[in-house]
Amino acid sequence: AQSVTQLDSQVPVFEEAPVELRCNYSSSVSVYLFWYVQYPNQGLQLLLKYLSGSTLVKGINGFEAEFNKSQTSFHLRKPSVHISDTAEYFCAVSSNFGNEKLTFGTGTRLTIIP
Amino acid sequence: EPEVTQTPSHQVTQMGQEVILRCVPISNHLYFYWYRQILGQKVEFLVSFYNNEISEKSEIFDDQFSVERPDGSNFTLKIRSTKLEDSAMYFCASSGLVYNEQFFGPGTRLTVL
Repeated sequence: AQSVTQLDSQVPVFEEAPVELRCNYSSSVSVYLFWYVQYPNQGLQLLLKYLSGSTLVKGINGFEAEFNKSQTSFHLRKPSVHISDTAEYFCAVSSNFGNEKLTFGTGTRLTIIP
Repeated sequence: EPEVTQTPSHQVTQMGQEVILRCVPISNHLYFYWYRQILGQKVEFLVSFYNNEISEKSEIFDDQFSVERPDGSNFTLKIRSTKLEDSAMYFCASSGLVYNEQFFGPGTRLTVL
């Protein structure tokens, strides 16, 4: 079984400042890792994913994340945020067997301050 | 770009009534999933479905729930006798044979009164 911890439930950031949203996972097997974004009253949109290969993955909207196996982390970063980045961000994990269920974290609400 | 669609977008029902939530996965996908998100909480896995049978289900997916792929395009979630605590956003997702990611639909908001 897998679990995901997102310690920060809310993160306020000034516009154009950098941001890091933290995600730690627990698993007894190798994993795939994902970040999803949910804008108000909308569904889930994939930001980026780690399946294998380079531990630094780049996604849409200028976001990137780094897979750190020794620290079991997959933190999401953006060097300069915009008002439009205001949303809920969910980290998710699945086993790397393929087509397995996703286990989500509790989410981090990112609020951009003008 | 292919996408997962869900209908209706919002369903209001009385406690004890049956509801069917419908999903049309991406056409060449073979793996299908239902998740739910109670307001303000995290997204939770309900069930996965492959080759016309359930692959895995969570503790939430009790006898009140069932899934079906009645034809080649639809994937449905039925709640036989709804409870107040079934009020949530229900997301359908699908993935292809070569696993890359799960594609999510826009969700159906179920409100049980």
